[in-house]
Amino acid sequence: DAGVIQSPRHEVTEMGQEVTLRCKPISGHDYLFWYRQTMMRGLELLIYFNNNVPIDDSGMPEDRFSAKMPNASFSTLKIQPSEPRDSAVYFCASSLEQGSNQPQHFGDGTRLSIL
Amino acid sequence: RKEVEQDPGPFNVPEGATVAFNCTYSNSASQSFFWYRQDCRKEPKLLMSVYSSGNEDGRFTAQLNRASQYISLLIRDSKLSDSATYLCVVNMFPSGGYNKLIFGAGTRLAVHP
Repeated sequence: DAGVIQSPRHEVTEMGQEVTLRCKPISGHDYLFWYRQTMMRGLELLIYFNNNVPIDDSGMPEDRFSAKMPNASFSTLKIQPSEPRDSAVYFCASSLEQGSNQPQHFGDGTRLSIL
Repeated sequence: RKEVEQDPGPFNVPEGATVAFNCTYSNSASQSFFWYRQDCRKEPKLLMSVYSSGNEDGRFTAQLNRASQYISLLIRDSKLSDSATYLCVVNMFPSGGYNKLIFGAGTRLAVHP
């Protein structure tokens, strides 16, 4: 079975540029999560969706970050304009409905470097 | 205070050793608990859920103490392949009851020959 698919795997760009990260969740999963991981702050939840609707975006660091989920099989996380401090690994994860013991399945992540 | 706290390690142990990781969480209303494993430059993967009565999966034993808000993971007979970062994860239910996981910073384990 295909897992969570993220693209690109690596992104290197100059500050000020727009960055778009993409995610395809596991088919049938109702929840989609975007995380950011850094050495200093660990794994942080940025935003999550249920049935394509954003539920909690309190983790989005600032207005430069935005996320969309236009349909059940696709989501984007956009940073515009990007800054060096946005450099991190960004993970997308998905899970089944809200049962308390439902694990989250993570994609391989996107390693983002802003120069 | 962080919502989920772990000893960052690293724990350096020889093959065959028994090692234990601890974790505390701050929200007494937390509903469910997990240990995830993350290999270097890889994504986190579910290792095991943690049940109130404690549970075992092969060489791995997880314990939960709700009164003390404390979770543990015990690894017996360590293997080289156990080297990874172990993330303590707590499932919180904000209003609406959605599945929100809070991850600890992780404890790094290095098993050497």
